[in-house]
Formats: sequence, C-alpha cells, structure tokens
Amino acid sequence: AQKITQTQPGMFVQEKEAVTLDCTYDTSDPSYGLFWYKQPSSGEMIFLIYQGSYDQQNATEGRYSLNFQKARKSANLVISASQLGDSAMYFCAMREVNTNAGKSTFGDGTTLTVKP
Amino acid sequence: ETGVTQTPRHLVMGMTNKKSLKCEQHLGHNAMYWYKQSAKKPLELMFVYNFKEQTENNSVPSRFSPECPNSSHLFLHLHTLQPEDSALYLCASSHLQQNTEAFFGQGTRLTVV
Repeated sequence: AQKITQTQPGMFVQEKEAVTLDCTYDTSDPSYGLFWYKQPSSGEMIFLIYQGSYDQQNATEGRYSLNFQKARKSANLVISASQLGDSAMYFCAMREVNTNAGKSTFGDGTTLTVKP
Repeated sequence: ETGVTQTPRHLVMGMTNKKSLKCEQHLGHNAMYWYKQSAKKPLELMFVYNFKEQTENNSVPSRFSPECPNSSHLFLHLHTLQPEDSALYLCASSHLQQNTEAFFGQGTRLTVV
C-alpha cells in the first residue's frame, strides 16, 4: 500500500489566490512527522513545513500552512496569496520514528502552476 | 543554501566512463541518503547510510556503488551506466534520532550518452 498519496498530478491557481495541495498518508506508527517540500525546475528540494504527529496545532510558516487532520490521515498544504515563484513541484513526505528506519517516504508530487 | 552540497551539478558521461558524485553535509546529521529522480517518475530511494553504515540498498544495480567514509561525506561511484540511468540524483541528510526534516542538496543532473 502506498504510504503517501498525492491525488493531484497538476494544479493551476491564479496569482494572489490560495491553493490547497492534497496529501493523505498511511501508517500504524504513532510517532511520525509529515513534511512538504518544493522542487522548482532547478531540481533542488526545498523544505517548506513540518507537522509532528503529536502536535496539537496546525503548522504555519509564512504563507504556508498545513491542514492536519489526524483521524483522516491527511496533511494538506495550503499556500495563501500565490506568487508566480510558487510554480514548482510539491512533494508530501513522512518519516516514521519507530518503523521504516526513520526514512522519508515521498508522494508522487503535485505540479503547481501559478497563472498571472 | 541548505547545508548539503552536491558536486558536480551537471554531468554528462559515456556508457564506458567511470565517474563519482559527491555529497557533503556539515549539519551534524548522522544519516545520509541517495535518491534518484527520473523524468515523470516519483522519487526513488537508492541507498541509506546510518552512522556511516549502509542500512539499505533498494535493489540498486551494481553499476552504482555508494561510499560513506564518514558521517559528513557520501559518494556515488558510477561505472558502465546505461542511458536509462540519466536522471537527477539527490543527496539528503537527516538526524536519525530526531523526527525532523531531511535536508537535500541541489542535485546532480546526470546524462548518460
């Protein structure tokens, strides 16, 4: 079973609008971390935001926020006030503390295009 | 700048060549990883090193040979590659005991001709 599912291969958003990128995950480990990365066309993977499984509050980092719904096992990324520079591939990832040797498991990614 | 440096950034090599990719981190991390990212394919984990010991080899062909001389450096030695090995190779590091993010290098874009 896939551990990280990103159901949106591609998304479009108008500049200055908000967009939500979906991510669902599957784990039986009670302790895990969820991460979002941005990969521009240059190839580097840029860490955006982190949510721990025991965190009570949704994580926020500037224009990025993570809508964490633990019971539904979803960790959607919300980008507010989209900018042209947000056009990139976005990956959701998970690290399980007690299983999987602490490795990160990545989803297939969502390509976001911001339109002017 | 994430603290993980990969060299070279771009590499073109023939199928009979031998080359090496280098990754260096000075973040105090004790786990390092090689990932392969082919066009229109998901990120594939190739190798994992924890405390310099290889703990995972995800059925990677022997023409890829990793080396981790210490916890700060990771190499990927390449020999007799195939054109389908052309991809972006990403190195990452993390702290094994902490549930924090992995930091990635900028990648080496490899083309095998």
